[in-house]
Amino acid sequence: NAGVTQTPKFRVLKTGQSMTLLCAQDMNHEYMYWYRQDPGMGLRLIHYSVGEGTTAKGEVPDGYNVSRLKKQNFLLGLESAAPSQTSVYFCASSSGGGPYNEQFFGPGTRLTVL
Amino acid sequence: RKEVEQDPGPFNVPEGATVAFNCTYSNSASQSFFWYRQDCRKEPKLLMSVYSSGNEDGRFTAQLNRASQYISLLIRDSKLSDSATYLCVVNKGSGDSNYQLIWGAGTKLIIKP
Repeated sequence: NAGVTQTPKFRVLKTGQSMTLLCAQDMNHEYMYWYRQDPGMGLRLIHYSVGEGTTAKGEVPDGYNVSRLKKQNFLLGLESAAPSQTSVYFCASSSGGGPYNEQFFGPGTRLTVL
Repeated sequence: RKEVEQDPGPFNVPEGATVAFNCTYSNSASQSFFWYRQDCRKEPKLLMSVYSSGNEDGRFTAQLNRASQYISLLIRDSKLSDSATYLCVVNKGSGDSNYQLIWGAGTKLIIKP
């Protein structure tokens, strides 16, 4: 039982390049989330999904797109990377949308955009 | 004003001491409250949920004060392994926002031998 996994762990991009971050969970969770974490700031929600085939915008969605074609996978895409997208990206999942559903996190992807 | 505010620290505390953190939140509609722990360069992990009546888990005690809109975390008999950043987390509100979380920037704790 691997929990939540993320690939890649590290990536360096040049401005304007594109990439996709993959998140996978084996806990059969309905809800999945993408966050970014920047120094001195709390985690900020980029996009989330409440089930297979659904996605919704979070707090900071601009410059990102997502897809949830399979229940266990949640992909985050950067179409044209910018230096402002240098950050640590965390994927999380939870079993439901109730108020006390724990979110389980992947190990993170450290992205640098030059 | 930030939606969730925490003292960034660091709190430098000798091993065995008691340390307390507070966190304030701005949305009175928030219904669920958590403390997560994040080790350096690692992912956040749930430490404990915070219930209205307050709750305790071993050396850790969490309290909620809805009237003043703050939550607290008390760590007794601190261990070296307690060194981490403690993240205060509050849900966005009710209804469709119920499961969306607002995260504080964290309080860094360093336990010294």
